[in-house]
Amino acid sequence: EIVLTQSPATLSLSPGERATLSCRASQSVSNYLAWYQQKPGQAPRLLIYDASNRATGIPARFSGSGSGTDFTLTISSLEPEDFAVYYCQQRSNWSITFGQGTRLEIK
Amino acid sequence: EVQLVESGGGLVQPGRSLRLSCAASGFTFDDYAMHWVRQAPGKGLEWVSGISWNSGSTGYADSVKGRFTISRDNAKNSLYLQMNSLRAEDTALYYCAKSVNALDYWGQGALVTVSS
Repeated sequence: EIVLTQSPATLSLSPGERATLSCRASQSVSNYLAWYQQKPGQAPRLLIYDASNRATGIPARFSGSGSGTDFTLTISSLEPEDFAVYYCQQRSNWSITFGQGTRLEIK
Repeated sequence: EVQLVESGGGLVQPGRSLRLSCAASGFTFDDYAMHWVRQAPGKGLEWVSGISWNSGSTGYADSVKGRFTISRDNAKNSLYLQMNSLRAEDTALYYCAKSVNALDYWGQGALVTVSS
């Protein structure tokens, strides 16, 4: 099973700042890496697929990069609605795993 | 508009069975793979199972392999999860999700509580 490790566990920033979230895979996942945002009481929302492609309707301030084992989600300038939990996810054949999540909180 | 609506959750005793359903609308159901993902209270996301568009391929997390069975009925635009030999650690909100290159649409979830 491919293990995804997200860092940091919690990130405290202010609106307008830049957020950088990391996801490291225990072995190469090529570019089969997605990012999700989850707010309390809501289902996850897809932000980025295949490492760097924004999903439909996702603002341009969200960007993804990386390949192989190291990936990054960047939020260029935080809006109040961006404070949430973020998960990375990989797909390989018929096995999917998620990272443990990064909580982005208001400083 | 894509809609995924889960049903069938509830309180069940350890060792018993439960069947979840997911009704899909707003897209051509039999064009897409589908998945179940769960989230225990206060915890992160855990993939449970997935099935290809034609049921030809399936996958399961090790934690549910041999106990859970995923299936679909394309004529009814429905996805199912048969859960047998339930354990306390299966307590979670179960989401169904549509899959393209990632899980692009999710339902609101069905709560399963396993407790005596």
